[in-house]
Amino acid sequence: DVKVTQSSRYLVKRTGEKVFLECVQDMDHENMFWYRQDPGLGLRLIYFSYDVKMKEKGDIPEGYSVSREKKERFSLILESASTNQTSMYLCASSLKGNGYTFGSGTRLTVV
Amino acid sequence: RKEVEQDPGPFNVPEGATVAFNCTYSNSASQSFFWYRQDCRKEPKLLMSVYSSGNEDGRFTAQLNRASQYISLLIRDSKLSDSATYLCAVRTSGTYKYIFGTGTRLKVLA
Repeated sequence: DVKVTQSSRYLVKRTGEKVFLECVQDMDHENMFWYRQDPGLGLRLIYFSYDVKMKEKGDIPEGYSVSREKKERFSLILESASTNQTSMYLCASSLKGNGYTFGSGTRLTVV
Repeated sequence: RKEVEQDPGPFNVPEGATVAFNCTYSNSASQSFFWYRQDCRKEPKLLMSVYSSGNEDGRFTAQLNRASQYISLLIRDSKLSDSATYLCAVRTSGTYKYIFGTGTRLKVLA
Protein backbone atom coordinates (compact mmCIF):
# COMPACT_ATOMS: atom_id res chain seq x y z
CA ASP A 1 0.00 0.00 0.00
CA VAL A 2 1.06 3.53 -0.71
CA LYS A 3 2.01 5.39 2.36
CA VAL A 4 1.83 9.15 2.63
CA THR A 5 3.47 10.46 5.77
CA GLN A 6 2.99 13.92 7.18
CA SER A 7 5.63 15.00 9.62
CA SER A 8 3.40 16.30 12.40
CA ARG A 9 -0.09 15.38 13.56
CA TYR A 10 -0.60 18.52 15.64
CA LEU A 11 1.21 21.85 15.53
CA VAL A 12 0.76 25.08 17.44
CA LYS A 13 2.51 28.13 16.03
CA ARG A 14 2.52 31.82 16.76
CA THR A 15 1.28 34.50 14.40
CA GLY A 16 4.08 35.61 12.09
CA GLU A 17 6.12 32.42 12.36
CA LYS A 18 7.32 30.62 9.26
CA VAL A 19 5.83 27.14 9.26
CA PHE A 20 6.98 24.08 7.33
CA LEU A 21 4.68 21.12 6.75
CA GLU A 22 6.40 18.08 5.29
CA CYS A 23 4.89 15.28 3.27
CA VAL A 24 6.64 12.14 2.02
CA GLN A 25 5.23 9.35 -0.13
CA ASP A 26 6.88 6.02 -0.76
CA MET A 27 5.40 4.79 -4.06
CA ASP A 28 7.07 6.91 -6.69
CA HIS A 29 3.90 8.89 -7.46
CA GLU A 30 4.37 11.81 -9.81
CA ASN A 31 1.51 13.87 -8.45
CA MET A 32 1.36 15.44 -5.02
CA PHE A 33 -1.17 17.85 -3.56
CA TRP A 34 -1.76 20.03 -0.54
CA TYR A 35 -5.30 20.70 0.66
CA ARG A 36 -6.75 22.37 3.68
CA GLN A 37 -10.03 21.23 5.17
CA ASP A 38 -12.33 23.49 7.14
CA PRO A 39 -15.83 22.80 8.47
CA GLY A 40 -18.47 23.74 5.92
CA LEU A 41 -15.87 24.53 3.26
CA GLY A 42 -14.61 21.04 2.55
CA LEU A 43 -11.27 20.31 0.96
CA ARG A 44 -9.66 23.24 -0.85
CA LEU A 45 -6.60 22.84 -3.03
CA ILE A 46 -3.64 25.02 -2.08
CA TYR A 47 -0.86 23.84 -4.40
CA PHE A 48 -0.01 20.78 -6.43
CA SER A 49 2.92 19.32 -8.27
CA TYR A 50 3.15 16.91 -11.16
CA ASP A 51 6.93 16.51 -11.09
CA VAL A 52 10.11 17.42 -9.28
CA LYS A 53 10.68 21.18 -9.10
CA MET A 54 7.29 21.74 -10.67
CA LYS A 55 4.46 23.47 -8.83
CA GLU A 56 1.07 24.86 -9.72
CA LYS A 57 -1.26 27.11 -7.75
CA GLY A 58 -4.50 25.64 -6.61
CA ASP A 59 -7.60 27.55 -5.59
CA ILE A 60 -6.26 29.23 -2.44
CA PRO A 61 -2.47 29.72 -2.77
CA GLU A 62 -2.26 33.10 -1.03
CA GLY A 63 -0.01 33.03 2.01
CA TYR A 64 1.50 29.67 1.06
CA SER A 65 4.40 28.39 -0.98
CA VAL A 66 5.65 24.89 -1.76
CA SER A 67 8.84 23.06 -2.54
CA ARG A 68 9.42 19.81 -4.37
CA GLU A 69 13.14 19.12 -4.62
CA LYS A 70 12.73 15.33 -4.59
CA LYS A 71 9.99 13.24 -6.12
CA GLU A 72 8.90 11.73 -2.83
CA ARG A 73 8.74 14.93 -0.81
CA PHE A 74 6.37 17.89 -1.09
CA SER A 75 6.64 20.65 1.47
CA LEU A 76 4.09 23.33 2.26
CA ILE A 77 5.39 26.59 3.67
CA LEU A 78 3.37 29.23 5.48
CA GLU A 79 5.55 32.29 5.01
CA SER A 80 4.06 34.23 7.93
CA ALA A 81 1.42 32.28 9.77
CA SER A 82 -1.87 33.98 10.51
CA THR A 83 -4.83 32.91 12.61
CA ASN A 84 -6.96 32.35 9.50
CA GLN A 85 -4.54 29.60 8.51
CA THR A 86 -5.64 27.52 11.47
CA SER A 87 -6.90 24.39 9.76
CA MET A 88 -6.43 20.72 9.00
CA TYR A 89 -3.79 20.32 6.27
CA LEU A 90 -3.89 17.21 4.14
CA CYS A 91 -1.24 16.01 1.74
CA ALA A 92 -2.13 13.55 -1.01
CA SER A 93 -0.37 11.73 -3.82
CA SER A 94 -1.56 9.93 -6.92
CA LEU A 95 -0.36 8.10 -9.96
CA LYS A 96 -1.55 9.94 -13.07
CA GLY A 97 -5.36 10.33 -12.85
CA ASN A 98 -5.93 7.67 -10.24
CA GLY A 99 -7.51 8.37 -6.90
CA TYR A 100 -5.56 10.01 -4.12
CA THR A 101 -3.91 8.52 -1.10
CA PHE A 102 -3.98 11.02 1.74
CA GLY A 103 -1.64 11.46 4.63
CA SER A 104 -3.09 11.45 8.13
CA GLY A 105 -3.20 15.23 8.22
CA THR A 106 -1.65 18.00 10.28
CA ARG A 107 -3.94 19.98 12.51
CA LEU A 108 -2.35 23.42 12.69
CA THR A 109 -3.37 26.02 15.23
CA VAL A 110 -2.00 29.54 14.86
CA VAL A 111 -2.27 31.62 18.02
CA ARG B 1 -23.00 27.32 -8.28
CA LYS B 2 -20.34 25.11 -6.75
CA GLU B 3 -18.47 22.79 -9.10
CA VAL B 4 -19.25 19.76 -6.94
CA GLU B 5 -22.20 19.67 -4.56
CA GLN B 6 -23.40 17.26 -1.93
CA ASP B 7 -26.23 17.29 0.57
CA PRO B 8 -24.43 17.70 3.91
CA GLY B 9 -26.99 15.56 5.79
CA PRO B 10 -26.86 14.10 8.34
CA PHE B 11 -28.64 11.05 7.05
CA ASN B 12 -29.78 9.13 10.11
CA VAL B 13 -30.71 5.57 9.21
CA PRO B 14 -31.34 2.39 11.24
CA GLU B 15 -29.01 -0.57 10.97
CA GLY B 16 -29.90 -2.72 7.99
CA ALA B 17 -31.38 0.12 5.98
CA THR B 18 -30.45 1.06 2.45
CA VAL B 19 -29.27 4.62 1.95
CA ALA B 20 -28.19 6.56 -1.12
CA PHE B 21 -26.28 9.78 -1.59
CA ASN B 22 -25.91 11.89 -4.69
CA CYS B 23 -23.18 14.23 -5.79
CA THR B 24 -23.75 16.69 -8.62
CA TYR B 25 -21.03 18.25 -10.74
CA SER B 26 -21.24 21.24 -13.03
CA ASN B 27 -18.46 20.64 -15.56
CA SER B 28 -19.58 18.40 -18.39
CA ALA B 29 -15.90 17.68 -19.21
CA SER B 30 -15.53 15.84 -15.91
CA GLN B 31 -13.86 12.52 -16.54
CA SER B 32 -13.06 10.60 -13.37
CA PHE B 33 -15.10 10.15 -10.24
CA PHE B 34 -14.43 8.67 -6.84
CA TRP B 35 -16.10 8.21 -3.49
CA TYR B 36 -14.09 8.65 -0.30
CA ARG B 37 -14.99 7.87 3.26
CA GLN B 38 -13.80 10.14 6.07
CA ASP B 39 -14.10 9.27 9.74
CA CYS B 40 -14.18 12.01 12.34
CA ARG B 41 -10.80 13.76 12.63
CA LYS B 42 -9.18 11.34 10.19
CA GLU B 43 -8.03 11.63 6.61
CA PRO B 44 -10.29 10.70 3.68
CA LYS B 45 -9.80 7.17 2.44
CA LEU B 46 -10.58 5.99 -1.05
CA LEU B 47 -13.78 3.96 -1.02
CA MET B 48 -14.39 3.25 -4.67
CA SER B 49 -14.10 4.64 -8.13
CA VAL B 50 -17.20 5.27 -10.23
CA TYR B 51 -17.35 3.80 -13.70
CA SER B 52 -19.73 4.72 -16.48
CA SER B 53 -21.35 1.31 -16.35
CA GLY B 54 -21.73 1.41 -12.59
CA ASN B 55 -19.79 -0.74 -10.19
CA GLU B 56 -20.35 -2.66 -7.03
CA ASP B 57 -18.12 -3.58 -4.10
CA GLY B 58 -19.92 -5.72 -1.57
CA ARG B 59 -22.70 -3.64 -0.04
CA PHE B 60 -21.65 -0.51 -1.92
CA THR B 61 -22.78 0.45 -5.42
CA ALA B 62 -21.59 3.50 -7.30
CA GLN B 63 -23.23 4.89 -10.41
CA LEU B 64 -22.64 7.70 -12.85
CA ASN B 65 -25.34 9.61 -14.70
CA ARG B 66 -23.58 11.75 -17.28
CA ALA B 67 -26.77 13.17 -18.75
CA SER B 68 -27.83 14.63 -15.43
CA GLN B 69 -24.26 15.15 -14.22
CA TYR B 70 -24.32 13.33 -10.94
CA ILE B 71 -22.83 10.31 -9.28
CA SER B 72 -24.45 8.23 -6.58
CA LEU B 73 -23.42 5.91 -3.78
CA LEU B 74 -25.81 3.28 -2.51
CA ILE B 75 -25.13 1.43 0.73
CA ARG B 76 -27.18 -1.67 1.43
CA ASP B 77 -27.64 -3.33 4.81
CA SER B 78 -26.09 -0.40 6.67
CA LYS B 79 -23.77 -1.20 9.57
CA LEU B 80 -22.94 0.95 12.58
CA SER B 81 -19.40 1.06 11.23
CA ASP B 82 -20.61 2.77 8.05
CA SER B 83 -21.17 5.94 10.08
CA ALA B 84 -18.83 8.50 8.52
CA THR B 85 -18.75 11.38 6.08
CA TYR B 86 -18.77 10.42 2.42
CA LEU B 87 -16.95 12.71 0.00
CA CYS B 88 -17.23 12.67 -3.76
CA ALA B 89 -14.30 13.71 -5.95
CA VAL B 90 -14.42 14.78 -9.58
CA ARG B 91 -11.60 15.25 -12.07
CA THR B 92 -11.81 17.17 -15.32
CA SER B 93 -9.97 15.93 -18.40
CA GLY B 94 -6.56 17.52 -18.90
CA THR B 95 -5.73 17.70 -15.20
CA TYR B 96 -4.83 15.28 -12.44
CA LYS B 97 -6.36 17.33 -9.65
CA TYR B 98 -9.68 16.48 -8.06
CA ILE B 99 -12.40 18.76 -6.78
CA PHE B 100 -14.14 17.47 -3.70
CA GLY B 101 -17.65 17.89 -2.46
CA THR B 102 -18.06 19.03 1.13
CA GLY B 103 -19.32 15.59 2.11
CA THR B 104 -22.50 13.88 3.28
CA ARG B 105 -22.62 12.74 6.86
CA LEU B 106 -24.14 9.35 7.56
CA LYS B 107 -25.17 8.12 10.99
CA VAL B 108 -26.28 4.53 11.28
CA LEU B 109 -28.36 4.03 14.41
CA ALA B 110 -28.67 0.85 16.47
